[in-house]
Amino acid sequence: QVQLQESGPGLVKPSQTLSLTCTVSGGSISSGNYYWSWIRQPAGKGLEWLGRMFSNGRTEYNPSLKSRVTISQDASKNQFSLRLTSVSAADTAVYYCAREGQESGIYWYFDLWGRGTLVTVSS
Amino acid sequence: SSELTQDPAVSVALGQTVRITCQGDSLRNYYASWYQQRPGQAPVLVFYGYSNRPSGIPDRFSGSSSGSTASLTITGAQAEDEADYYCNSRDSSGNHVVIFGGGTKVTVL
Repeated sequence: QVQLQESGPGLVKPSQTLSLTCTVSGGSISSGNYYWSWIRQPAGKGLEWLGRMFSNGRTEYNPSLKSRVTISQDASKNQFSLRLTSVSAADTAVYYCAREGQESGIYWYFDLWGRGTLVTVSS
Repeated sequence: SSELTQDPAVSVALGQTVRITCQGDSLRNYYASWYQQRPGQAPVLVFYGYSNRPSGIPDRFSGSSSGSTASLTITGAQAEDEADYYCNSRDSSGNHVVIFGGGTKVTVL
């Protein structure tokens, strides 16, 4: 049974870099069948996709955040990570990592999610 | 368009049927996926693609699509179905950017 778990600091100062790690258990992030994404949700608001990583390490990012977001992997630890630079209060949110599947190139779905971790940006 | 539009809130009497809609140009080319999110919990996939319901999701959840509108129907709503529901797909730019609808709060009366 594949599980995802986010970890990282819960408090980040403005202008600094937010760093989170997602540890995947029960399955390999290197398998070619899935993509690995980061999604966030400010309190009381909707979901925002930040970016994804493919099994070969290729990445795609949300254009609205592209210049600030980096997703990377450590295959030896079966982990993938998020870095978000120059954070502000607007980046305060629950951050989720999620596994994304696809079929036929016409639909995609996030079938597994971590529990989420709250990151607050404050001095 | 890179947006998916959902009604902010709907209500349904216990045991009745409710349809949640999601509108967006990209849905003419891509199917939607649907997620249920209860307070304080992570989203859970409840329906995706043309006719796919993940294991463990009750069959009272079903989906459909027509033109630029995707729908999630709960037939015989239960108290535990009270939650926020989000649709998700790709934008229509061809860049495979993931987009979410703003969410619909379903209240079971």
